[in-house]
Amino acid sequence: GNSVTQMEGPVTLSEEAFLTINCTYTATGYPSLFWYVQYPGEGLQLLLKATKADDKGSNKGFEATYRKETTSFHLEKGSVQVSDSAVYFCALRGGTSYDKVIFGPGTSLSVIP
Amino acid sequence: EPEVTQTPSHQVTQMGQEVILRCVPISNHLYFYWYRQILGQKVEFLVSFYNNEISEKSEIFDDQFSVERPDGSNFTLKIRSTKLEDSAMYFCASSVGPTTNEKLFFGSGTQLSVL
Repeated sequence: GNSVTQMEGPVTLSEEAFLTINCTYTATGYPSLFWYVQYPGEGLQLLLKATKADDKGSNKGFEATYRKETTSFHLEKGSVQVSDSAVYFCALRGGTSYDKVIFGPGTSLSVIP
Repeated sequence: EPEVTQTPSHQVTQMGQEVILRCVPISNHLYFYWYRQILGQKVEFLVSFYNNEISEKSEIFDDQFSVERPDGSNFTLKIRSTKLEDSAMYFCASSVGPTTNEKLFFGSGTQLSVL
């Protein structure tokens, strides 16, 4: 079945540092890939998405490129801010999972001033 | 942007009691979901619902769980006899359709505490 793997956290960075959170997936067919973010005490919000190979999703300075050859969808940001502190979930929809979204385990990010 | 609404935001119940978690999906959406997140753990799929029936459910969604769309706007999750391990944040989500490039809209969750 489909699955999503993320780098283990927590990740602690200083403000303005470069962020990478690795995500790899296993799926048949052509799933869509997503990054969701969960700020403290809040629900899940879609951060960005990519629906086919080589697509780049971007939002709020975050980027991720759908790499089918490496089955990856790594999240990057050039300069993080304290307000980016949250839990980030890589997710996929499609392949054998039909309509449901499958989430990775989440990576907690703390950005310190 | 339209929102999925969940009530209550917090629910405390005694073990063995029944609870009903309520959700109002976005009005033109046709696909509905429940997920849960045990504290500090991953977000787990429970059930998907379309055309007034369950389209898929996970192993977690046993006979103690049920879902219903009692009217044109609400979507509920019922736990008949709660257990301590049911304590979690429960998220409702909805989607216009099942195609893979459509995103799920999530509610802000109901924190269920079973004592």
